[in-house]
Amino acid sequence: QQQVKQSPQSLIVQKGGISIINCAYENTAFDYFPWYQQFPGKGPALLIAIRPDVSEKKEGRFTISFNKSAKQFSLHIMDSQPGDSATYFCAGNSGNTPLVFGKGTRLSVIA
Amino acid sequence: KAGVTQTPRYLIKTRGQQVTLSCSPISGHRSVSWYQQTPGQGLQFLFEYFSETQRNKGNFPGRFSGRQFSNSRSEMNVSTLELGDSALYLCASSLGRTGGTEAFFGQGTRLTVV
Repeated sequence: QQQVKQSPQSLIVQKGGISIINCAYENTAFDYFPWYQQFPGKGPALLIAIRPDVSEKKEGRFTISFNKSAKQFSLHIMDSQPGDSATYFCAGNSGNTPLVFGKGTRLSVIA
Repeated sequence: KAGVTQTPRYLIKTRGQQVTLSCSPISGHRSVSWYQQTPGQGLQFLFEYFSETQRNKGNFPGRFSGRQFSNSRSEMNVSTLELGDSALYLCASSLGRTGGTEAFFGQGTRLTVV
């Protein structure tokens, strides 16, 4: 399985700050890149996703930036809130292949 | 619209036993994928079923198997359980094949092998 590398493993951000999580992928055939948010005891919930034909997608406080040439994409959470404290996973896939996930980033937003 | 339902939520089994987990996808979704989640390995793909056929399989031993029924519900089975099989098992459903389509996860089944 082609890897998706995610960083950092953990992140502490002040309330109101910007949280940034980065991912890098290897498989150039990947054409779908979702981000999932997972709270303890829950399954991952789809947050936002992007395809490589656009460089940025914004939904509310969440933005994905995509750099096809560098094979990197990132999640930005603006005005981070304590309720955003969760584990975030990036992923990628293509065609009829399964999603390949990064290892996750544990985000803590402190007041 | 109901989400993805996984049963049971928690299981405790003994080494050597077998276990069956169930997943009911979102109504109208035909694809079901299974993932194993552990703190060390993250989310690892097990298999994908679409229209009752296994379409993709991850790198897991043959003790892990699954099936999908005509109503799209899916089950996975793990035989001869090992301590290392302790994990959160997640099911995801998609409208079509998982490639490039939104996948929605259930809450998972927490399996503990003792």
